[in-house]
Amino acid sequence: DAMVIQNPRYQVTQFGKPVTLSCSQTLNHNVMYWYQQKSSQAPKLLFHYYDKDFNNEADTPDNFQSRRPNTSFCFLDIRSPGLGDAAMYLCATSRGPGTLAFFGQGTRLTVV
Amino acid sequence: SQQGEEDPQALSIQEGENATMNCSYKTSINNLQWYRQNSGRGLVHLILIRSNEREKHSGRLRVTLDTSKKSSSLLITASRAADTASYFCATDGYGQNFVFGPGTRLSVLP
Repeated sequence: DAMVIQNPRYQVTQFGKPVTLSCSQTLNHNVMYWYQQKSSQAPKLLFHYYDKDFNNEADTPDNFQSRRPNTSFCFLDIRSPGLGDAAMYLCATSRGPGTLAFFGQGTRLTVV
Repeated sequence: SQQGEEDPQALSIQEGENATMNCSYKTSINNLQWYRQNSGRGLVHLILIRSNEREKHSGRLRVTLDTSKKSSSLLITASRAADTASYFCATDGYGQNFVFGPGTRLSVLP
């Protein structure tokens, strides 16, 4: 059974139109991460939540926001998607820093 | 920020052969993890090795860690076509979240 679920698997959005990607987990893990992965590149950490504490990576654009209303759910909001934001977005969870991370299947975002 | 860097970037081998991928990093780490990613899918964790460990095994996988050289290797023995994927190492230091290297694309030819 999937433990980290991302919806939708594929998302097409218009240039400049806000879009939200969702992630849910059944593991009750404290930490939830969002990564951006462009073609043939490594996943790049955007931000993470440790419980309710939000931690933004220094080079994450302001265009990217996140919400974690409860332990199980975390959302990635892209306020004004540009063509350069087309990528695979991966959600992951872990019990804490330095422990195994469990990844969802990802949402592939296309911006038209 | 610290980062694992894998080499080679791409590797093609025949089924049944062993595949070795290497990862180097820059600063002291708490642990190092290896992940596999099939094309267009999420990442699957393979092995976590802590800084005080030198070697770990899991099935056909063997991971070594040399903290003096700041390097790790992943060995896949008796490779299968299903092992075709990208393999990433990820490192994290004390209090820092893990950062992925660029990955090695492994192709196992039948």
